[in-house]
Amino acid sequence: AQSVTQLDSHVSVSEGTPVLLRCNYSSSYSPSLFWYVQHPNKGLQLLLKYTSAATLVKGINGFEAEFKKSETSFHLTKPSAHMSDAAEYFCVVSDRFGNEKLTFGTGTRLTIIP
Amino acid sequence: NAGVMQNPRHLVRRRGQEARLRCSPMKGHSHVYWYRQLPEEGLKFMVYLQKENIIDESGMPKERFSAEFPKEGPSILRIQQVVRGDSAAYFCASSPPEGAGAYEQYFGPGTRLTVT
Repeated sequence: AQSVTQLDSHVSVSEGTPVLLRCNYSSSYSPSLFWYVQHPNKGLQLLLKYTSAATLVKGINGFEAEFKKSETSFHLTKPSAHMSDAAEYFCVVSDRFGNEKLTFGTGTRLTIIP
Repeated sequence: NAGVMQNPRHLVRRRGQEARLRCSPMKGHSHVYWYRQLPEEGLKFMVYLQKENIIDESGMPKERFSAEFPKEGPSILRIQQVVRGDSAAYFCASSPPEGAGAYEQYFGPGTRLTVT
């Protein structure tokens, strides 16, 4: 069984300051991990993915995440927040060995303070 | 290359009616997934289909819900005798066959179902 825990339901940061969204995972196999972003009343957009290549993954819009197996973590970071980053962020895990359904975390709502 | 298409985008049904949600995967994608998002929650997996086959339906409610992905045409998620608790956003995703970025799913814009 696989699961994802997003440690913060809400995060607020000032524009221009760093963003950290935390995620811990549990998986029986070597997982694939993803971060998706959802803007209000919109669909989901893939920010980045980890599938056992480099542990530091760079995504779109300046986001990156580091896979740390020893800590079972996959935290999302961005050096400088922009107003357009305000959205809901989902950490997602997939079992790479045949079971391709995605398991979503409960989401972190990111608010950017002008 | 058009993305994943879902229609309708918004659907209003009275209690007891049927809801039919359609999903056209991206061109070349043979795997389709349906997810449900209840208000203020993350997405929950419902069903995974390939053409004419249901691969994993472990997330589907036992009654009233069914899904298909026929040889021709879109995938359909069907909800019979809808109840207020079915009100949610339903998202479809698709992915390519194995060996071609298979572990990345591309999501459609969703269908927002409201049951009155």
